[in-house]
Amino acid sequence: DGGITQSPKYLFRKEGQNVTLSCEQNLNHDAMYWYRQDPGQGLRLIYYSQIVNDFQKGDIAEGYSVSREKKESFPLTVTSAQKNPTAFYLCASSIRWGSSYNEQFFGPGTRLTVL
Amino acid sequence: AQTVTQSQPEMSVQEAETVTLSCTYDTSESDYYLFWYKQPPSRQMILVIRQEAYKQQNATENRFSVNFQKAAKSFSLKISDSQLGDAAMYFCAYRSVGGGGADGLTFGKGTHLIIQP
Repeated sequence: DGGITQSPKYLFRKEGQNVTLSCEQNLNHDAMYWYRQDPGQGLRLIYYSQIVNDFQKGDIAEGYSVSREKKESFPLTVTSAQKNPTAFYLCASSIRWGSSYNEQFFGPGTRLTVL
Repeated sequence: AQTVTQSQPEMSVQEAETVTLSCTYDTSESDYYLFWYKQPPSRQMILVIRQEAYKQQNATENRFSVNFQKAAKSFSLKISDSQLGDAAMYFCAYRSVGGGGADGLTFGKGTHLIIQP
């Protein structure tokens, strides 16, 4: 089945540690995105990538880093510089950037808790 | 930058009744896309309906329809014959048409829809 997978579902981190969230898609989509969701808030864009080996900062990129070495993978690293990393993280993809086929498909999310 | 506002943090409706969720947005662009996403307790984001700004006709998907008022920058979602499975958070979202600027969706803060049996 085609879709987006995120792992792990739940992740716990000690303060000062970096942690990497996985996002994989087998939809052959060009564009991928990372969003953060806090209680009572909508989703906010962290980073996005329109093609392999290229990515751009979103609205709240500070304290996060990404890579896009393969079309199907877009991992997100939450660094120790992120002051309040406890949140729900959602990965999404769309067939191509700027296309009329612009529906974003979402993964199931990762809940990150800093202890 | 674009902003999306959902002024109803929570709405409640009786099963089989009709409910309308409000969304307004602010943009200087003339062409864009608007979406309603549903997030049930599983937290999986599900696309409910999509509207292209250049289309005057309101989008409809089965029991879900929108009232798109471009001049007023309003994009409300109407759910007819509400069902228990419609209970969820509903998010309104905006996306620019490509060609420059940040990609990605801009979301409102959501409306929690409760269905009373």
